[in-house]
Amino acid sequence: DTAVSQTPKYLVTQMGNDKSIKCEQNLGHDTMYWYKQDSKKFLKIMFSYNNKELIINETVPNRFSPKSPDKAHLNLHINSLELGDSAVYFCASSQDFWEQFFGPGTRLTVL
Amino acid sequence: QKEVEQNSGPLSVPEGAIASLNCTYSDRGSQSFFWYRQYSGKSPELIMSIYSNGDKEDGRFTAQLNKASQYVSLLIRDSQPSDSATYLCAVLSGSARQLTFGSGTQLTVLP
Repeated sequence: DTAVSQTPKYLVTQMGNDKSIKCEQNLGHDTMYWYKQDSKKFLKIMFSYNNKELIINETVPNRFSPKSPDKAHLNLHINSLELGDSAVYFCASSQDFWEQFFGPGTRLTVL
Repeated sequence: QKEVEQNSGPLSVPEGAIASLNCTYSDRGSQSFFWYRQYSGKSPELIMSIYSNGDKEDGRFTAQLNKASQYVSLLIRDSQPSDSATYLCAVLSGSARQLTFGSGTQLTVLP
């Protein structure tokens, strides 16, 4: 019954590693997103993906790359992880850029 | 620079009182406005959306929008301890139609 799901829930890794976070939605939505919430709880858009159109927040380093195998999935790949990448990453989905529904989040800790 | 500003709080109200949460935004072209509730360690949960000037009521929640003043608010009537959470204001704007979040207001409802 989970509408937006993410795996893993927790991810602990060393600096310099490459990791991926997976997201799936079963709401039939056509748009998916990745957000980063930092230690001060500020929630910031990283990417939105709609009908194969990727919109990237210009502040996101190119070490981050979203990949969407189909409309129901949007994965986030992170290369060469840095300490500052530690945060909670949320996936979300919506229909036509309207009301967005969030997944449970992935807490990434880079050591 | 699109900005969404909220008083960070904390805001404390006694049980049964009305909690008033405020938000201002800088982009006059903003199209849609949302309130999310986020419990500690959980993901943001959509509680209200509003698109046109005036009030919108849903149960104990009332969202108010004034586009001329670039102001949106959320009233919670008959506040309950279970309403204690961080409330995030979010504004949809721009050609990329991305959500910009405020930093959130932490609400505590005292029994």
